[in-house]
Amino acid sequence: KNEVEQSPQNLTAQEGEFITINCSYSVGISALHWLQQHPGGGIVSLFMLSSGKKKHGRLIATINIQEKHSSLHITASHPRDSAVYICAVGHRGTGANSKLTFGKGITLSVRP
Amino acid sequence: NAGVTQTPKFQVLKTGQSMTLQCAQDMNHNSMYWYRQDPGMGLRLIYYSASEGTTDKGEVPNGYNVSRLNKREFSLRLESAAPSQTSVYFCASARDRVGYDIQYFGAGTRLSVL
Repeated sequence: KNEVEQSPQNLTAQEGEFITINCSYSVGISALHWLQQHPGGGIVSLFMLSSGKKKHGRLIATINIQEKHSSLHITASHPRDSAVYICAVGHRGTGANSKLTFGKGITLSVRP
Repeated sequence: NAGVTQTPKFQVLKTGQSMTLQCAQDMNHNSMYWYRQDPGMGLRLIYYSASEGTTDKGEVPNGYNVSRLNKREFSLRLESAAPSQTSVYFCASARDRVGYDIQYFGAGTRLSVL
């Protein structure tokens, strides 16, 4: 079973700071997903990546397949970035690739 | 384009009551999922349907049943609700295999079992 660990558990930042959230997993994957959940809100997919780096606005996601590690970076953070950030990994193999394993999520609070 | 629609948004049940959570997607997606989210536990898969006509157990299926009514709809039934089923439930869908596709989530159903 793939274990997904996220760090740090909780994170507080000042508006404008550069933020990094980490995710590690234990076995080979098909793809890694980063999700965002605002307080009391639904869940939105931010990125899906299987190699390299992706960028969308102020968000950058990277993955190192050899080290089984991914990072989500937020540049010029803003209070509206306050949310829970969830890492999830897809599994390889017939049947298995129909499921994701989720990390517990990291709660980010950005202060004005 | 509504995406993934879940009903109801909130529900309070007494122990032993039954109910069905409804989920529908309008993106012509093949795979659909039911998750529960509990504090400190992360999202856990209850059941999934990789394609119309198939359903499979996830990590925590006990106490639940599902029906993939057609390609659009995937319902979750609690036959005899227990306090341990108090949780937030999310339905999700993906174009194909979620290991390789982005997953789209509904707004969630907050369920309390007294």
